[in-house]
Amino acid sequence: EDQVTQSPEALRLQEGESSSLNCSYTVSGLRGLFWYRQDPGKGPEFLFTLYSAGEEKEKERLKATLTKKESFLHITAPKPEDSATYLCAVPNAGNNRKLIWGLGTSLAVNP
Amino acid sequence: DTEVTQTPKHLVMGMTNKKSLKCEQHMGHRAMYWYKQKAKKPPELMFVYSYEKLSINESVPSRFSPECPNSSLLNLHLHALQPEDSALYLCASSSTTGKLTDTQYFGPGTRLTVL
Repeated sequence: EDQVTQSPEALRLQEGESSSLNCSYTVSGLRGLFWYRQDPGKGPEFLFTLYSAGEEKEKERLKATLTKKESFLHITAPKPEDSATYLCAVPNAGNNRKLIWGLGTSLAVNP
Repeated sequence: DTEVTQTPKHLVMGMTNKKSLKCEQHMGHRAMYWYKQKAKKPPELMFVYSYEKLSINESVPSRFSPECPNSSLLNLHLHALQPEDSALYLCASSSTTGKLTDTQYFGPGTRLTVL
């Protein structure tokens, strides 16, 4: 069964303290992995799409990497404004318009 | 520009009311989506339109009725809702290149409260 698991559920960091969020997946024939950021009461904001193992993408303090079993979202020197829930999703093997979502990692960055 | 707009931002309705949620995108995307999201849960897919035709209905109750008048607009008509339908309703759109999975871009959502 296709599945996405994110860890940790919650993470609290001090400003400037780098860390990584994990998204592990089991799906046959990966056709993409998506990272989104979501602030409370708002829609998910697109961050990255990764399509193949070994691929890396960066945006400001964020870097996403992909292996055959998992993806990491590395946050370097985070700031309080990086506080949000980070969601990972992969397309369903049977229909790529249907995304399978992880439950998210709630990140809090203290000043 | 990767903007999807949704109106209204907030909606409060009684169980006997009829209301509509609206979504618009001008990115030339030909796939549009409705999601429902409860607190501390990921988005839950409701409907997908592809080239203005309904392609996925995730067994959503008939009190939710989607409509895609043209390639830029998506509506969700609401009638006789229940309090448990209170949630954040999200619209998304994506291109339809067909080679790999196209990225879905989300709107800001409509916060719906059913009294």
